[in-house]
Amino acid sequence: QVQLQQSGPGLVKPSQTLSLTCAISGDSVSSDSAAWHWIRQSPSRGLEWLGRTYYRSKWYNNYAVSVKSRITINPGTSRNQFSLQLNSVTPEDTALYYCAREGARLTYYFDYWGQGTLVTVSS
Amino acid sequence: QSALTQPASVSGSPGQSITISCTGTSSDVGSYNLVSWYQHHPGKAPKLMIYEVSKRPSGVSNRFSGSKSGSTASLTISGLQAEDEADYYCCSYAGSTTFLLFGGGTKLTVL
Repeated sequence: QVQLQQSGPGLVKPSQTLSLTCAISGDSVSSDSAAWHWIRQSPSRGLEWLGRTYYRSKWYNNYAVSVKSRITINPGTSRNQFSLQLNSVTPEDTALYYCAREGARLTYYFDYWGQGTLVTVSS
Repeated sequence: QSALTQPASVSGSPGQSITISCTGTSSDVGSYNLVSWYQHHPGKAPKLMIYEVSKRPSGVSNRFSGSKSGSTASLTISGLQAEDEADYYCCSYAGSTTFLLFGGGTKLTVL
């Protein structure tokens, strides 16, 4: 059974960096079939896909155009996890953030989700 | 690229069937059989209900079914039960630039 456990601060100041981590159990971040995604939900934007990281002999990323200049998703270096960093945040980045697994290659659906982290951008 | 279009709300009585539509374009829903549907109870993680247009994950009731015609995908729930009351979201692959799009969500009310 795959489990995704999110952690990170719930309050970030404007212009600073939002950082969240998703710890994986029951699978490996370096799986050669899975991909690891971040998705957010806000009242104004609904569900919004942010990006993903995956390993196929080397690490790859894909990012949403809307956040491409500000986002980094990295696999964990020593732990079975992956992280989200979103730079230069504004109140528009206030949302419920989820990590999720795409369980098989080129399937583009999410079979496991984290519990969600509410992040508020406010001074 | 805009989100996929879903009705804001649908409702039905216990035992009835309802259908939620998800309208995209020829660049997303119309081009790929990579539409998925998620059930979301507030405060809980979304749950995968349908993938690749019409496939059901293990453990999901066969009361849930999916289909697609042109650029519109649909989720049908038959034999409505009170526990089906939730928000439902569609999602589609949209090519290597836009990548993934979600619908705006549909609130299902079981009367």
